[in-house]
Amino acid sequence: DTGVSQDPRHKITKRGQNVTFRCDPISEHNRLYWYRQTLGQGPEFLTYFQNEAQLEKSRLLSDRFSAERPKGSFSTLEIQRTEQGDSAMYLCASSRDRGNVNYGYTFGSGTRLTVV
Amino acid sequence: EDQVTQSPEALRLQEGESSSLNCSYTVSGLRGLFWYRQDPGKGPEFLFTLYSAGEEKEKERLKATLTKKESFLHITAPKPEDSATYLCAVQSSSGTYKYIFGTGTRLKVLA
Repeated sequence: DTGVSQDPRHKITKRGQNVTFRCDPISEHNRLYWYRQTLGQGPEFLTYFQNEAQLEKSRLLSDRFSAERPKGSFSTLEIQRTEQGDSAMYLCASSRDRGNVNYGYTFGSGTRLTVV
Repeated sequence: EDQVTQSPEALRLQEGESSSLNCSYTVSGLRGLFWYRQDPGKGPEFLFTLYSAGEEKEKERLKATLTKKESFLHITAPKPEDSATYLCAVQSSSGTYKYIFGTGTRLKVLA
């Protein structure tokens, strides 16, 4: 169990550029989540996957954002035409919930995005 | 609408000075309430899950309790290494698996 891995740790990009982040969850976890956190705030839900199916998306996830989880393994989050308001920490988490039994999320260390 | 409010926003304690952090919540059916610790520049680290009113969990100097409207994180004889932001989150039983987080309590323990 190596934990949840996110890459890159930091990304600086110019406004209007596209960026892609990767998340590798804990291997036996069936659910994967993306959250966004700005300074002084708690994490805000973006989307989650159960295996390869994207089951829920937040209204925060505009059409510039897209997430995938091919084959139910790693996941990518892409932001197109970045804006300065996209600057935040993007957190990935995974969990091994089974039915109503809830083991809680394990978070990665996050990707810090700065749009200049 | 599901909501989580944490207080205080910030707390400074002397080493050994016990205190409590509060998490008030409204949720359409509670599947679970979660406490996390977050250090600067890092992802949240899981501490506790509470499922029903009256439940308590302990880990080292931390103890979490749950009522139908709020949860408390009690810190007994804190040390400087307990300094962090403590986040509370709820998960509704309405069919979603997302968490609703509060804004956290920033704890500073002075030596």
